[in-house]
Amino acid sequence: GIQVEQSPPDLILQEGANSTLRCNFSDSVNNLQWFHQNPWGQLINLFYIPSGTKQNGRLSATTVATERYSLLYISSSQTTDSGVYFCAVALFGGTASKLTFGTGTRLQVTL
Amino acid sequence: DVKVTQSSRYLVKRTGEKVFLECVQDMDHENMFWYRQDPGLGLRLIYFSYDVKMKEKGDIPEGYSVSREKKERFSLILESASTNQTSMYLCASSDRQDSYEQYFGPGTRLTVT
Repeated sequence: GIQVEQSPPDLILQEGANSTLRCNFSDSVNNLQWFHQNPWGQLINLFYIPSGTKQNGRLSATTVATERYSLLYISSSQTTDSGVYFCAVALFGGTASKLTFGTGTRLQVTL
Repeated sequence: DVKVTQSSRYLVKRTGEKVFLECVQDMDHENMFWYRQDPGLGLRLIYFSYDVKMKEKGDIPEGYSVSREKKERFSLILESASTNQTSMYLCASSDRQDSYEQYFGPGTRLTVT
């Protein structure tokens, strides 16, 4: 099956710093999503981004499908950004809606 | 906004009990999913359904069954709960109208003692 690797596994930032999270995947995909899991366990949709670039406030994401990676940028981080960030992909040619998740990046933003 | 709800946030059951986890979505989505999340193992797909009464096994279906009698509701059933089924259970839904973007419920933290 498809492999999804996220880096770094853990990240500690001071409030106000910027960060880049990376997601590599092993095969062509037709669905890629970024999620933020808050401390209560809820998965919040950040981006649906199988290709291209999107921005939403302090967050932006870029997926280069031909090179099989995606990047999530967090600018001017806040303590509320803490949590685990997951990348998930669906394999091209397979069932479009079956996602495979990476193991996540745990982000801690300190004052 | 898509809304996916789950019947309980926290649940404690005894070994051998039959357990029902309920999930409801309000956006007329065709697809619904059940995942479990465990430390070090990430999110793994248990079962999914692409239509009423239709289901397909995910990566870890053993010990679980599902039911989808109505489009908006997808139930996960643990026929005889075991301690290794202690986990966080997450339900999701998606639809081709939304490009198959998946939306998740708040999760149910199940403890089997």
